[in-house]
Amino acid sequence: GNSVTQMEGPVTLSEEAFLTINCTYTATGYPSLFWYVQYPGEGLQLLLKATKADDKGSNKGFEATYRKETTSFHLEKGSVQVSDSAVYFCALVDNNAGNMLTFGGGTRLMVKP
Amino acid sequence: KAGVTQTPRYLIKTRGQQVTLSCSPISGHRSVSWYQQTPGQGLQFLFEYFSETQRNKGNFPGRFSGRQFSNSRSEMNVSTLELGDSALYLCASSRTGGLTEAFFGQGTRLTVV
Repeated sequence: GNSVTQMEGPVTLSEEAFLTINCTYTATGYPSLFWYVQYPGEGLQLLLKATKADDKGSNKGFEATYRKETTSFHLEKGSVQVSDSAVYFCALVDNNAGNMLTFGGGTRLMVKP
Repeated sequence: KAGVTQTPRYLIKTRGQQVTLSCSPISGHRSVSWYQQTPGQGLQFLFEYFSETQRNKGNFPGRFSGRQFSNSRSEMNVSTLELGDSALYLCASSRTGGLTEAFFGQGTRLTVV
């Protein structure tokens, strides 16, 4: 079956530091990959996505590149802000295995001023 | 454009009772999916409805059921509640499901006592 593995958190950074959150996946088909963010007390918001190998998704300074050879989709940001503090979820949709999102366990990011 | 609306936001029920949660998707979206979020199991897919038909189902017991109405609004029902059903239940809507972007509601926080 499909699965997504994320680095465990929490990840604690100082403001303006560089962020990397690792994400690897296994899938039976050709998945699309997503990063979602969840702020306290809120639902999930789509941060970025990539639908095929070598695609780069980007939004609000965050980037992730779909690497088929390493089955990875690592999230990066060059300079984090306190407002980026949230839980980040890597996810995939594999149309060979239904239309549901398969999520990683989530990584909590805490950014200190 | 209104987002995904879930009601109620918070709910406290007693073991053995049943509960119904509601989700109103974004106008024009025909796919509604439900997810359960717990600290121990993370985000798990419950089921997806598209045009009033259940299209996909996750690995949950039969106590969990759902339906979708002709206006795409969806309800999920949990019967004979157990303590382990305490969770945040998230609804996501998308135009057609699958690779189309999913928008999440803020969730319903269910506590079973």
